[in-house]
Amino acid sequence: NAGVTQTPKFRVLKTGQSMTLLCAQDMNHEYMYWYRQDPGMGLRLIHYSVGEGTTAKGEVPDGYNVSRLKKQNFLLGLESAAPSQTSVYFCASSYRVVGKNIQYFGAGTRLSVL
Amino acid sequence: GENVEQHPSTLSVQEGDSAVIKCTYSDSASNYFPWYKQELGKGPQLIIDIRSNVGEKKDQRIAVTLNKTAKHFSLHITETQPEDSAVYFCAAKGIDDMRFGAGTRLTVKP
Repeated sequence: NAGVTQTPKFRVLKTGQSMTLLCAQDMNHEYMYWYRQDPGMGLRLIHYSVGEGTTAKGEVPDGYNVSRLKKQNFLLGLESAAPSQTSVYFCASSYRVVGKNIQYFGAGTRLSVL
Repeated sequence: GENVEQHPSTLSVQEGDSAVIKCTYSDSASNYFPWYKQELGKGPQLIIDIRSNVGEKKDQRIAVTLNKTAKHFSLHITETQPEDSAVYFCAAKGIDDMRFGAGTRLTVKP
């Protein structure tokens, strides 16, 4: 039982390049999330999904796209990377439980855009 | 939407002392308040949570208190140990998504 697995762990991009971050969970969770973490700003939600085939915008969605074709996978895409997207990206997943939202996080992807 | 403020941003204590981290939230509809611990190079991990119908919850050396009227909640760690050193995040969940505080870096000096 691996939990939430993110690939890759590190990546360096040039401005304008594109890439996809992959998140996989083996806990059969309905909900999945993508966050970015910047110094002094905590975790900010980029996009999330409440089930296979559905996605929704979070707090900071601009410049990112997501897809949830399979329940266990949630992909985050950067079509044209910008230096402002240099950050650490975390994926999380959770069960659908009324009144709670226990999120399980991956180990993160450190992205640098030059 | 929800806005969560967390204080202090850094906290240094001697081993064995207590540590308190405080958060305030803006949305009175928020009803779930978790605390996460993030160790270096790892993702955040839930350490304790509280629902809005409860005022206090304890789990061994950690406790969380909630004041719904004042819209603030706090994390209390007693008898701190060096392995408690980490970044701690509070969060609040309302009708929509969950919002996180900016984090507190706790250092426990041996």
